[in-house]
Amino acid sequence: GAVVSQHPSWVICKSGTSVKIECRSLDFQATTMFWYRQFPKQSLMLMATSNEGSKATYEQGVEKDKFLINHASLTLSTLTVTSAHPEDSSFYICSAGKDGLYEQYFGPGTRLTVT
Amino acid sequence: AQKVTQAQTEISVVEKEDVTLDCVYETRDTTYYLFWYKQPPSGELVFLIRRNSFDEQNEISGRYSWNFQKSTSSFNFTITASQVVDSAVYFCALSEAHGSSNTGKLIFGQGTTLQVKP
Repeated sequence: GAVVSQHPSWVICKSGTSVKIECRSLDFQATTMFWYRQFPKQSLMLMATSNEGSKATYEQGVEKDKFLINHASLTLSTLTVTSAHPEDSSFYICSAGKDGLYEQYFGPGTRLTVT
Repeated sequence: AQKVTQAQTEISVVEKEDVTLDCVYETRDTTYYLFWYKQPPSGELVFLIRRNSFDEQNEISGRYSWNFQKSTSSFNFTITASQVVDSAVYFCALSEAHGSSNTGKLIFGQGTTLQVKP
């Protein structure tokens, strides 16, 4: 199988601080990873596409300066929420693609609470 | 623009009942992929099925079955003899394509919360 991990699984931070979330593909190389956000009782919304060695592509309405994405290796992508505010509190989920992106594997998610 | 609609927000059934979750999609692409995911309370998405636009054969996997009909742009999911462990949020999703290339981006429906009571 293909396993994707996320760290941390949950984090509480104070308003104004920055938080980094890691997404790792443990047993395969992923040139492309995706970051989704899910608010309580809502659907998953794609935030950005992360490509190894290049800049991330952000979806419309997602602030690239606030949600910094780095995909420095074929097994690791990071999402940094800068100057977090309570409205950034959400469930952040990453996925990693393989086999031409026809197969995607989701991480277990990171629950962010900003106080 | 691509869109996925799951009109049923919440469904409640009693154990052993059959239940169908509806999914209607919109896309202009001729090549696309449809998915169903299960999200239990833990939050982790569980992959259930992927179907490409050229394969309209219905699929059965144990108590799960899927009915794909391009004519009505629907990809419905049926659970036969439901069990309490089936309680979860179920998402239908569409994979976006640009021409013949699969972008990998998933467009999710709003989700259907299924509650199976003992």
